Amino acid sequence: AQSVAQPEDQVNVAEGNPLTVKCTYSVSGNPYLFWYVQYPNRGLQFLLKYITGDNLVKGSYGFEAEFNKSQTSFHLKKPSALVSDSALYFCAVRDRSTDSWGKLQFGAGTQVVVTP
Amino acid sequence: DAGVIQSPRHEVTEMGQEVTLRCKPISGHDYLFWYRQTMMRGLELLIYFNNNVPIDDSGMPEDRFSAKMPNASFSTLKIQPSEPRDSAVYFCASSSQGFQETQYFGPGTRLLVL
Repeated sequence: AQSVAQPEDQVNVAEGNPLTVKCTYSVSGNPYLFWYVQYPNRGLQFLLKYITGDNLVKGSYGFEAEFNKSQTSFHLKKPSALVSDSALYFCAVRDRSTDSWGKLQFGAGTQVVVTP
Repeated sequence: DAGVIQSPRHEVTEMGQEVTLRCKPISGHDYLFWYRQTMMRGLELLIYFNNNVPIDDSGMPEDRFSAKMPNASFSTLKIQPSEPRDSAVYFCASSSQGFQETQYFGPGTRLLVL
């Protein structure tokens, strides 16, 4: 079975400060990990993914995420947050060993609020 | 590429009526997914297709819900009869085949059942 936890319902950060959104996962095999962002009244937009190789993954809009196998984490980061980064962020995992290999397991989402 | 296209974007209907949501996946994608998003339950996978064949419909809440994919470029999600608790945003997503492939989401259909 695969599962994802986003321990924070909301993250508040001042504009210009570093932003971190936490994600931990549980899979029986090796994971594929994804981050998506959802702006109000919009669909989910893909930010970045970890497949294999370098543990630091760079994505859209200046975001990056670090895969940590020992801590089973895939935290999303941005060095300097913008007000426009205010949105709902979802972490998702796919277990390579699962038979239902089309399925992504999504976390509950973390609301990011960036204040001017 | 136009991305995943969904229609209608908004739907308001009365309890008991039939509702049909439509989706056009990205051309060339083998997988199509239907999700539902609510405040209470978050993002739920309802059903997904591979090469037009339903693979897993375990997320479909009850028999009132049905989904079809008659060809590679079109899918429908039907609710008959609709109930107020079906009010949600319904997303369609598509992807290519492969564990590493990204799912791309449509803009969603916001459904309100009165």
